[in-house]
Amino acid sequence: IAGITQAPTSQILAAGRRMTLRCTQDMRHNAMYWYRQDLGLGLRLIHYSNTAGTTGKGEVPDGYSVSRANTDDFPLTLASAVPSQTSVYFCASSDSMDTGELFFGEGSRLTVL
Amino acid sequence: GQNIDQPTEMTATEGAIVQINCTYQTSGFNGLFWYQQHAGEAPTFLSYNVLDGLEEKGRFSSFLSRSKGYSYLLLKELQMKDSASYLCAVLDSNYQLIWGAGTKLIIKP
Repeated sequence: IAGITQAPTSQILAAGRRMTLRCTQDMRHNAMYWYRQDLGLGLRLIHYSNTAGTTGKGEVPDGYSVSRANTDDFPLTLASAVPSQTSVYFCASSDSMDTGELFFGEGSRLTVL
Repeated sequence: GQNIDQPTEMTATEGAIVQINCTYQTSGFNGLFWYQQHAGEAPTFLSYNVLDGLEEKGRFSSFLSRSKGYSYLLLKELQMKDSASYLCAVLDSNYQLIWGAGTKLIIKP
């Protein structure tokens, strides 16, 4: 079944450790996104990519980095995790940046202790 | 600043009708979107409005008034499986999606 795959599904991490959340899509979508979702808040955009080879900063980019080496993969890296990065992370994709119809992965629940 | 407001929680009865409101103040407008998110799962796209009026899709309908900065999602013949959070989002002039915090809908038998 076509879609977006995220890994890991869940992770507990010690503060200060480096962590990469993986995201792969097989829909050949140009645009990809990383969001975090916290209780009581709307989805907040961390980073996005219009197309392979380009990335941009979203609303809450500090402490995170991304790369887009090809169309399918869009990993999110926490260089040195802090407890405030405890959240559920969703990767999403869309055909282009000028549509709001996004397809989401199942999410990665990250706990930083 | 940009803002999307929707009620935090609503309760309705199985078989009934419920209307979830969303008001927005954004820098420009390129469409309003509704998503459904079951607990512990990913959001899934429900509907899209860019022109004023009602869009109907089975038991779900979505309405938009751009002059009032207002939308609602109407769910008819409620089923227990409709228990979920409903997220309102607006695509602004920079084609960034602005998200509301979501409305948790509880369906009671």
